[in-house]
Amino acid sequence: AQKVTQAQTEISVVEKEDVTLDCVYETRDTTYYLFWYKQPPSGELVFLIRRNSFDEQNEISGRYSWNFQKSTSSFNFTITASQVVDSAVYFCALTAPPGAAGNKLTFGGGTRVLVKP
Amino acid sequence: ETGVTQSPTHLIKTRGQQVTLRCSSQSGHNTVSWYQQALGQGPQFIFQYYREEENGRGNFPPRFSGLQFPNYSSELNVNALELDDSALYLCASSSNRRRFTPSTDTQYFGPGTRLTVL
Repeated sequence: AQKVTQAQTEISVVEKEDVTLDCVYETRDTTYYLFWYKQPPSGELVFLIRRNSFDEQNEISGRYSWNFQKSTSSFNFTITASQVVDSAVYFCALTAPPGAAGNKLTFGGGTRVLVKP
Repeated sequence: ETGVTQSPTHLIKTRGQQVTLRCSSQSGHNTVSWYQQALGQGPQFIFQYYREEENGRGNFPPRFSGLQFPNYSSELNVNALELDDSALYLCASSSNRRRFTPSTDTQYFGPGTRLTVL
């Protein structure tokens, strides 16, 4: 069975501080994809990144960076120099294997980030 | 903007009623997935449609059913509504090459329909 755990339910920081969101996953598959989505108060899930299980290179996109460690089954997300607009709930997700479940995403419980001015 | 639209935005129903939610997929996408997100939780997979056929189902009872149309838009129907069905319903569109194969395409989500069951 697939499982994604986001142990931090809520993180509060002051603007310009860095914040790291943890994600630990479980899967028996050797090929899988990991995702991060952002959910602002409006409710729409906004895609941030997709990572193939064979690609362990870290990635940076502006103030966002991701650290994929296959050995510890973790895919952590860091926001550098946080801004008030970063306030949202962030979800880590994992694809399911092919078969009866289709290509579903298995989501973690989410981490609420509150950035105070 | 993902190009995925959902209607209605909000809906209030009473227990036992039936509801239909609608989703228009992004241009060029042939697959629609539906998720239920209860308050304070992560989205849970309901089912997926690929080229008008069901392509996988999560742990939801048969009173949750769906359709996909030739233009790849989709409907989610819920019969005999229960209080626990109150949630945000999200649809996502993506592009699959074949049924039951891993999709390398990302799922892009619509803004959701918030359903309240009284």
